[in-house]
Amino acid sequence: AQTVTQSQPEMSVQEAETVTLSCTYDTSESDYYLFWYKQPPSRQMILVIRQEAYKQQNATENRFSVNFQKAAKSFSLKISDSQLGDAAMYFCALRGSQGNLIFGKGTKLSVKP
Amino acid sequence: EAGVAQSPRYKIIEKRQSVAFWCNPISGHATLYWYQQILGQGPKLLIQFQNNGVVDDSQLPKDRFSAERLKGVDSTLKIQPAKLEDSAVYLCASSLYERGTQYFGPGTRLLVL
Repeated sequence: AQTVTQSQPEMSVQEAETVTLSCTYDTSESDYYLFWYKQPPSRQMILVIRQEAYKQQNATENRFSVNFQKAAKSFSLKISDSQLGDAAMYFCALRGSQGNLIFGKGTKLSVKP
Repeated sequence: EAGVAQSPRYKIIEKRQSVAFWCNPISGHATLYWYQQILGQGPKLLIQFQNNGVVDDSQLPKDRFSAERLKGVDSTLKIQPAKLEDSAVYLCASSLYERGTQYFGPGTRLLVL
């Protein structure tokens, strides 16, 4: 079975600081993708960043970057220079063999001014 | 480019009533997904379509839930009869192909009283 675990139900960061959200996963597949999605309150799910398992280089999208540790099955998200608009639920997701996403329970990020 | 459209945005019904949700995917997207997101949890796949065929409906409670995607474009998800535990946000997502990046609609928030 494929699983995704987010062990931090809530996190808080000061504006302009850096925060790291944790995610671990389990899969028996060798070729897979990992994603971080952002879900602002009452708004739709938005893709933040994705990582292809066969690529050793960590993905980066502006202020967002990941630390992908394939052997440890770890996939953390780092947000640099946090902004008030970053406040949201963040979901880590693993793409299953047929394309569907398997999500973790999410981490609620608060940004303090 | 228009995103994934869903309607209605909110629905309140009493238990044992029926309800239907509609989804219009991004134009040209062959794969369509319905997810159920219960409060405090990550989305869980209900059903996945490839064009107008079902790829995976293993987690769809078939005694009360049904879904169709006639003509391979729009899709409807129906619940009949609804139970209290069906209260959730129902998310529709689409991707260009089966293992492509998924784009989500705004969701339909269902409250069953």
